[in-house]
Amino acid sequence: AQTVTQSQPEMSVQEAETVTLSCTYDTSESDYYLFWYKQPPSRQMILVIRQEAYKQQNATENRFSVNFQKAAKSFSLKISDSQLGDAAMYFCAYRSAWDGGSQGNLIFGKGTKLSVKP
Amino acid sequence: NAGVTQTPKFRVLKTGQSMTLLCAQDMNHEYMYWYRQDPGMGLRLIHYSVGEGTTAKGEVPDGYNVSRLKKQNFLLGLESAAPSQTSVYFCASSLKGGWSYEQYFGPGTRLTVT
Repeated sequence: AQTVTQSQPEMSVQEAETVTLSCTYDTSESDYYLFWYKQPPSRQMILVIRQEAYKQQNATENRFSVNFQKAAKSFSLKISDSQLGDAAMYFCAYRSAWDGGSQGNLIFGKGTKLSVKP
Repeated sequence: NAGVTQTPKFRVLKTGQSMTLLCAQDMNHEYMYWYRQDPGMGLRLIHYSVGEGTTAKGEVPDGYNVSRLKKQNFLLGLESAAPSQTSVYFCASSLKGGWSYEQYFGPGTRLTVT
């Protein structure tokens, strides 16, 4: 079974600075997808960024980028120019490329609570 | 276009009571999911549906039942609530199951069982 581990329960960053959130995963599959979700205090889950395992190029979305290391099974999220609105819980999630099981099921890590200091 | 909505937003139950959580989506999505989120944990899949009239078990299905009689609705039922079912419940939907079909989440339902 696949597992996702986020080793940093809490992180803090100064406004306008850069922060990196860590995520590692365990899988025997070669093809899969990885995601970062943001959950602000409103509880709404918001997709931040996604990465296909077969792509070597790291995904970027404006101030958000990932460092995907397939061999190391590592998928970290970098937030540049941090803003107060970035304060939230961040969840790393894994999805198998195989649709034979739980169709599209996401396996989540336990989350990292990010605080942004003004 | 409301996206994914959940009813109710909050609920308090006594042990042994029953209730149904309603999830509705107006995006014509095929796939729908129910997750639960406990403190200090990520979301875990309870049940899912790949189309109208179909349901299947996820990672933590015990104590829950679901139904998908209409494509736009996915109901989660608790027949006899237990304190262990105190959690925040999220519904999600996606156009299909492929990775590129993003899962859209509802705002969650906070359920407390006393």
